[in-house]
Amino acid sequence: AQKITQTQPGMFVQEKEAVTLDCTYDTSDPSYGLFWYKQPSSGEMIFLIYQGSYDQQNATEGRYSLNFQKARKSANLVISASQLGDSAMYFCAMREENNAGNMLTFGGGTRLMVKP
Amino acid sequence: EPEVTQTPSHQVTQMGQEVILRCVPISNHLYFYWYRQILGQKVEFLVSFYNNEISEKSEIFDDQFSVERPDGSNFTLKIRSTKLEDSAMYFCADRPEWGINSPLHFGNGTRLTVT
Repeated sequence: AQKITQTQPGMFVQEKEAVTLDCTYDTSDPSYGLFWYKQPSSGEMIFLIYQGSYDQQNATEGRYSLNFQKARKSANLVISASQLGDSAMYFCAMREENNAGNMLTFGGGTRLMVKP
Repeated sequence: EPEVTQTPSHQVTQMGQEVILRCVPISNHLYFYWYRQILGQKVEFLVSFYNNEISEKSEIFDDQFSVERPDGSNFTLKIRSTKLEDSAMYFCADRPEWGINSPLHFGNGTRLTVT
């Protein structure tokens, strides 16, 4: 079974509007972390935001926020006031505490395109 | 801000040849990883490395792959006999500490093309 699922292969958003990118996850580990990364067309992986499974509040970093719904096992990324530079691939990832290598497992990504 | 540095940025090799991809992690970071991304697809875990040994590896990381940190700074990924399906972007990543909340810092990647 997929550990991280991103159901939107591509999304369009109008500049200056907000957009939500979906991410659902599957784990039986009670302690885990969820991460979002941005990959522009230049290819680098840029860390955006983190949410811990025990965090009581939704994470926020500037224009990025996480809509964390633990019971539904979802961690959707919300980008407010979209900019043209937000056009990129976005990856959701999870780390499970009991995993020996403590690595991140990535979803398939969502390509966001911001329209002027 | 310190960065993970990968060289070369692009490598072209013939099928069956050996390649070594190089990474210089951020100084005093302790945990190292290799990931790969076939064009347009998901980012896949290959191997994690700590204290000069592999801590976990994926099914992709078969006997053709090896990693080492020969001199305490460089972290290398070797593919002994490349196949066409090894063509991908290879990312080195690291982090300073154990724990749920520390993000991975990625290098800019090496694009490997096997012909």
